[in-house]
Amino acid sequence: GENVEQHPSTLSVQEGDSAVIKCTYSDSASNYFPWYKQELGKGPQLIIDIRSNVGEKKDQRIAVTLNKTAKHFSLHITETQPEDSAVYFCAASPDNYGQNFVFGPGTRLSVLP
Amino acid sequence: GAVVSQHPSWVICKSGTSVKIECRSLDFQATTMFWYRQFPKQSLMLMATSNEGSKATYEQGVEKDKFLINHASLTLSTLTVTSAHPEDSSFYICSASGTTQETQYFGPGTRLLVL
Repeated sequence: GENVEQHPSTLSVQEGDSAVIKCTYSDSASNYFPWYKQELGKGPQLIIDIRSNVGEKKDQRIAVTLNKTAKHFSLHITETQPEDSAVYFCAASPDNYGQNFVFGPGTRLSVLP
Repeated sequence: GAVVSQHPSWVICKSGTSVKIECRSLDFQATTMFWYRQFPKQSLMLMATSNEGSKATYEQGVEKDKFLINHASLTLSTLTVTSAHPEDSSFYICSASGTTQETQYFGPGTRLLVL
């Protein structure tokens, strides 16, 4: 079955710097890769996603890149702000309908003012 | 965006009692709903997947008689923790997807504390 690894487990950056979180997956059949942000005591919130037919997607300060050959995808946050501090989870799925997500273990991001 | 609600947001109960958690999709029809469990500082663990009008599919190791799931309509799924014990204390999160939402949208979670 699918296995998703995520690095680093914790990340501290200064406000205004960039943050990069990387996930690797094992199943070449996976073709949908969402990223979720979870604040303390809340449910995960979808922040960006990418499908296997594109290599990069950007939404304001957030971008995701996908390398299907190497089986890894990364979340890039630029100009970080204290409110970006949260736990970020990546996931991989082999279908296009929101089913069968396999989540990474999460990355705790701290943005220091 | 798609909105999923959960109720209650937190609950405290005595050991041996049953607790029901509701999950609703507010602005879309959720053909599939998912129930996750999350322990502190850990990732989300899928408990079961339910399709509207069908029996839920439980992940290995999840007791279906203890965690009863009902998905009776396209906007509502319920999780009932029966005869709850302290080890059932956790953060329970639902998510939903539909034919027009090709991803999962999560609810805010329900924190359960069993005394």
